[in-house]
Amino acid sequence: AQSVTQPDIHITVSEGASLELRCNYSYGATPYLFWYVQSPGQGLQLLLKYFSGDTLVQGIKGFEAEFKRSQSSFNLRKPSVHWSDAAEYFCAVGAQAAGNKLTFGGGTRVLVKP
Amino acid sequence: EPEVTQTPSHQVTQMGQEVILRCVPISNHLYFYWYRQILGQKVEFLVSFYNNEISEKSEIFDDQFSVERPDGSNFTLKIRSTKLEDSAMYFCASRFGINEKLFFGSGTQLSVL
Repeated sequence: AQSVTQPDIHITVSEGASLELRCNYSYGATPYLFWYVQSPGQGLQLLLKYFSGDTLVQGIKGFEAEFKRSQSSFNLRKPSVHWSDAAEYFCAVGAQAAGNKLTFGGGTRVLVKP
Repeated sequence: EPEVTQTPSHQVTQMGQEVILRCVPISNHLYFYWYRQILGQKVEFLVSFYNNEISEKSEIFDDQFSVERPDGSNFTLKIRSTKLEDSAMYFCASRFGINEKLFFGSGTQLSVL
């Protein structure tokens, strides 16, 4: 069965500092990996996804993530955080199957200090 | 960017009542999903729907739950007899193809009293 772990429940960063959110997955085959962001009162917005190819993927809002098969990780990074990046971030793994369901991690809430 | 629309944004119901959560997926999308998030817990898959039938469902999606695409534009989730533990944020999602971007709605917060 597929699973996702996000070890950090909360992270506080200063505006302008770098951010890295950890994600570890368990999946029997080559995974499809995703990062979503959820702002208060909003739905889930896709930041980026990895299906195959280059293991460093670029997303929206200046985010990037690196797929490391040997570590079963897909960590999300941003070099310089803006106050508007305060939100909850979810890592998810998906399967290429008829239903193509996503399994989500527990989320990491990011607080940005001025 | 196109949007998945969910109504209502909040719904309060009494235990044992039936509720219908409504979603309007993006118009040319073919795959439809419901997920839910109980407060403080993970987002959980409920059901996927394609070609007018359920393609996969989770253990959560028991006989009390049903989905329908009644008119080619709406996609509904019905809970026949709500329980306290059904209180959650319910997200609808849709995509055009299997490996295409999945779009989520902003959710319906269901509170069962």
